[in-house]
Amino acid sequence: DAGVTQSPTHLIKTRGQQVTLRCSPKSGHDTVSWYQQALGQGPQFIFQYYEEEERQRGNFPDRFSGHQFPNYSSELNVNALLLGDSALYLCASSFTRQGNSGNTIYFGEGSWLTVV
Amino acid sequence: AQSVTQLGSHVSVSEGALVLLRCNYSSSVPPYLFWYVQYPNQGLQLLLKYTSAATLVKGINGFEAEFKKSETSFHLTKPSAHMSDAAEYFCAVSEPGFQKLVFGTGTRLLVSP
Repeated sequence: DAGVTQSPTHLIKTRGQQVTLRCSPKSGHDTVSWYQQALGQGPQFIFQYYEEEERQRGNFPDRFSGHQFPNYSSELNVNALLLGDSALYLCASSFTRQGNSGNTIYFGEGSWLTVV
Repeated sequence: AQSVTQLGSHVSVSEGALVLLRCNYSSSVPPYLFWYVQYPNQGLQLLLKYTSAATLVKGINGFEAEFKKSETSFHLTKPSAHMSDAAEYFCAVSEPGFQKLVFGTGTRLLVSP
């Protein structure tokens, strides 16, 4: 049973460019969340997708956008990259149904983004 | 709003010694609480979680944590540290039903021989 998979694992972009990160949730999971982890910090919640819609959003600008596909996989897009966007981007998956709010949230290995 | 405070950015112990990593939370509703571990250049692995059942929660690798509502704490302990426990540990809180985690800033555990 594959866990949460993310791609690419590492990438380098130039300021002003755009980047797309991809995530496949754990088998059977229908909810995907994205987190940003800057060096030396705890992960910060970006947004969450369920049933192909953004359900919750953290305190991130509109440059950060996402999408969830019918197969529950997800993309994170960041436009107009800034140096401060350099971080580890973590995808997390979970299972949302009524009464299952305590389900375990599983994380992928992350995508390391360096903006130069 | 929810928040987590982890006291001590670094904790050093000797192999075989007690591990105690501190976590205090703030939440306006009864919280769910989690401890995750992160090894270098890896993602997060769940150690244990509290979701309003037993207040003493046992996790993987011999770790456990006790939910103390009166102290708003959820400290992580392990009776005897092993070299392989050296990693970054994150405490997190969520509001039931929302599956959004709010993390602390992490505590790096160093284990010396």
